[in-house]
Amino acid sequence: SYVLLQPPSVAVAPGKTARITCGGDNVEAKSVHWYQQKPGQAPLLVIYYDTDRPSGIPERFSGSNSGDMATLTISRVEVGDEADYYCHVWDRDADQVVFGGGTKLTVL
Amino acid sequence: EVQLEESGGGLVQPGGSLRLSCAASGFEFNFYWMHWVRQAPGKGLLWVARVNRDGSIANYADSVKGRFTISRDNAKNTVYLQMRSLRVEDTAVYFCARVSDTGSSGFPFDYWGQGSLVTVSS
Repeated sequence: SYVLLQPPSVAVAPGKTARITCGGDNVEAKSVHWYQQKPGQAPLLVIYYDTDRPSGIPERFSGSNSGDMATLTISRVEVGDEADYYCHVWDRDADQVVFGGGTKLTVL
Repeated sequence: EVQLEESGGGLVQPGGSLRLSCAASGFEFNFYWMHWVRQAPGKGLLWVARVNRDGSIANYADSVKGRFTISRDNAKNTVYLQMRSLRVEDTAVYFCARVSDTGSSGFPFDYWGQGSLVTVSS
């Protein structure tokens, strides 16, 4: 089955740029969606179809997808961005949703 | 306002059964595929199952295939997850989620419930 690999953790200082990667075999051929999850809360969609941003999500959040890597970029990181982030694709060969293992973003 | 509210979680012994419900409101329920996603304590998200608009098609994660059954009642705007032969490793918060479009696959989850905790323990 299809596998998405994320780094377990990323740390960044406030005001800097955080990049969270999501690796998968030819992932650029799939649509990647990203979720933010804070403790005790349900996940929140922050990027969909690789690059689109839902209404209400700050422009500081952006996404890209090329080759074997999709990336969620958070510019001008704020303390409130500290959370777990998950990537998601649809595995059409298995008819299953696949999530990455998640990345904990720590704001130093 | 779209709302999803799970219920039915609790403590169950290994080998037991439990049925989760997810009551939906604020949208045309029968237009959308619905999913269940779970999260073990301190772990990541794991997709469990999905059901199509009229309940005639269901897909499952390999880890629950043959033990869990997803279904829906469009008259009650509710999706269910019947869980049988439960294992300790099924312990998790179970979320129901709606996809953002009325199509079949590849869409993001735009609305989630708050989750229902299932604990499998003797």
